Amino acid sequence: DTEVTQTPKHLVMGMTNKKSLKCEQHMGHRAMYWYKQKAKKPPELMFVYSYEKLSINESVPSRFSPECPNSSLLNLHLHALQPEDSALYLCASSQEGASSYNSPLHFGNGTRLTVT
Amino acid sequence: AQSVTQLDSQVPVFEEAPVELRCNYSSSVSVYLFWYVQYPNQGLQLLLKYLSGSTLVKGINGFEAEFNKSQTSFHLRKPSVHISDTAEYFCAVSEDQAGTALIFGKGTTLSVSS
Repeated sequence: DTEVTQTPKHLVMGMTNKKSLKCEQHMGHRAMYWYKQKAKKPPELMFVYSYEKLSINESVPSRFSPECPNSSLLNLHLHALQPEDSALYLCASSQEGASSYNSPLHFGNGTRLTVT
Repeated sequence: AQSVTQLDSQVPVFEEAPVELRCNYSSSVSVYLFWYVQYPNQGLQLLLKYLSGSTLVKGINGFEAEFNKSQTSFHLRKPSVHISDTAEYFCAVSEDQAGTALIFGKGTTLSVSS
């Protein structure tokens, strides 16, 4: 069982919908991440929160909006997505802040998103 | 800037055979190296990491990797694989400087058959 919990596991949404992905960890980790993974590809970094502040945004389109309400929770708000945004969205956390670059990542099992 | 190259996209092996998954990196500064495994329909799980010290690193599930600075490699090995080792394996590198994030290789699919 993973210690990073993501909900929902599957999500189908239309291009005009607004939805949110949720991620939760109770390991006391101070950095949380969103990755996007297409089939047969490696994860691609989208956002990093360090001590609840956005520290890295990898030029992600504004239709993806991250939010970190507290140190245990990370959300990804979705609006006006395109079919090419269909992918597995992975949340991860690490013990130290994102400036501690040797801290291993703990991943959730992801949300498989399909945009119709 | 750092980069990671996994030399084999697919590695088919028979059960109980040894396996080596190859990974090379490039960076102008010191690096930290990781191997992650992804089973079907799951997230990634850390297998092992090299931060400093001994160049031979042992991880979970009987895997080990050797850091070779002169050859800029971090190959993953297991002396005898099981069917359950069938998965996608990702090598990843993080540079020894603030503000950088983990970079993943393209992955190697290990397929173990009986």
